[in-house]
Amino acid sequence: GAVVSQHPSWVICKSGTSVKIECRSLDFQATTMFWYRQFPKQSLMLMATSNEGSKATYEQGVEKDKFLINHASLTLSTLTVTSAHPEDSSFYICSASGGRRAEAFFGQGTRLTVV
Amino acid sequence: AQTVTQSQPEMSVQEAETVTLSCTYDTSESDYYLFWYKQPPSRQMILVIRQEAYKQQNATENRFSVNFQKAAKSFSLKISDSQLGDAAMYFCAFSGYALNFGKGTSLLVTP
Repeated sequence: GAVVSQHPSWVICKSGTSVKIECRSLDFQATTMFWYRQFPKQSLMLMATSNEGSKATYEQGVEKDKFLINHASLTLSTLTVTSAHPEDSSFYICSASGGRRAEAFFGQGTRLTVV
Repeated sequence: AQTVTQSQPEMSVQEAETVTLSCTYDTSESDYYLFWYKQPPSRQMILVIRQEAYKQQNATENRFSVNFQKAAKSFSLKISDSQLGDAAMYFCAFSGYALNFGKGTSLLVTP
């Protein structure tokens, strides 16, 4: 299957700072990328969908000013958690897709801890 | 909106035995995909099996097979000859556009 690389795999940051997470599709062009959040022992919750060259679509209840998503190219999407607080601590996973209903490939995930 | 329901929070199976994980979904769409993903302790999401809704034949991947009942909106996963490495969280997912996941089933494999 295709490879999606997510970086960093873990990060610890101070409260009030911003953190950027990168998601790269290494061997295919991802027209769509998805960002999920996963709390311990829970399922993946879709945060937002981004299409290359256009604004991200956020799910209800997700603050777009806190979770900035940029999908500047067909191989890279970034999620920036701005002014992070301890409640933002979670596991964030990206996935990339070649198109509607196509198989989605997942990054390794990023464990964010805000102290 | 599509919903995916996994009614078994935890399941246990002995090595070499067979186990079935259940999944039901709700949608008004006629063209969609269904997936089973495995998430081991590393938390990497691994695709186990995929089913296209327009295909009547149940998908099979080695020891993994599904029982897809479109009219009943049911999509169960059968794992045959269970191995210790099968222990993980299993998520059923519906793909209309983004993936909608069920809450997951934690599978324990005992020696």
